Amino acid sequence: SYDLTQPPSVSVSPGQTASITCSGDRLGDKYVCWYQHKAGQSPVLVIYQNSKRPSGIPERFSGSNSENTATLTISGTLAMDEADYYCQVYHSSAGLFGPGTKVTVL
Amino acid sequence: EVQLFESGGGLVQSGGSLRLSCAASGFTFSSYAMSWVRQAPGKGLEWVSGISDAGDITYSADSVQGRFTISRDNPKSTLYLQMHSLKAEDTAIYYCAKDHRSSFGHQFYLESWGQGTLVTVSS
Repeated sequence: SYDLTQPPSVSVSPGQTASITCSGDRLGDKYVCWYQHKAGQSPVLVIYQNSKRPSGIPERFSGSNSENTATLTISGTLAMDEADYYCQVYHSSAGLFGPGTKVTVL
Repeated sequence: EVQLFESGGGLVQSGGSLRLSCAASGFTFSSYAMSWVRQAPGKGLEWVSGISDAGDITYSADSVQGRFTISRDNPKSTLYLQMHSLKAEDTAIYYCAKDHRSSFGHQFYLESWGQGTLVTVSS
């Protein structure tokens, strides 16, 4: 099996930068995407293919992926960015999600 | 505008069966792979099953293999998830989601999601 690891929580002050990591064996060899999931709502794709932003996603969301770690960065974090964030990869004919990171904007 | 509307959730006893449906609109349904994803109470997202655009290739997570079957009716623009031998741990909100392309593969990502339907399995 293939395991993805994320920190359970990240805290950030408004206007500061939040970095959320996703780790896995040779993760840099895979395409990573990221979803934002707010309570009571449907998940929203915020990054695909490691670093691309879908239409409508603010520029403050960016992504990278190298070696064993992918990172979702939220620059100039807003209160509305408070949510759970999940990384996802394709592995052995399955779509695997990371355990998720709760981002709190203090 | 892409719209995905799940239905069919509800309360079912352990060992029972349920069929979920997902009605799609706003895009050419027959041209895209689709997936089901679930979220158990207090837990994270879990990919459940995926199907190619033509419906001829399907994949499922080990946790549901042999119990759940994904299928689609392209003329009706509808995705299904047939669930048998349900367990308490299958209790979750089930989302249907649209892939960005026709096949399920290493560039996999889900670009549109429905609002979800709740399945509760009582023991």
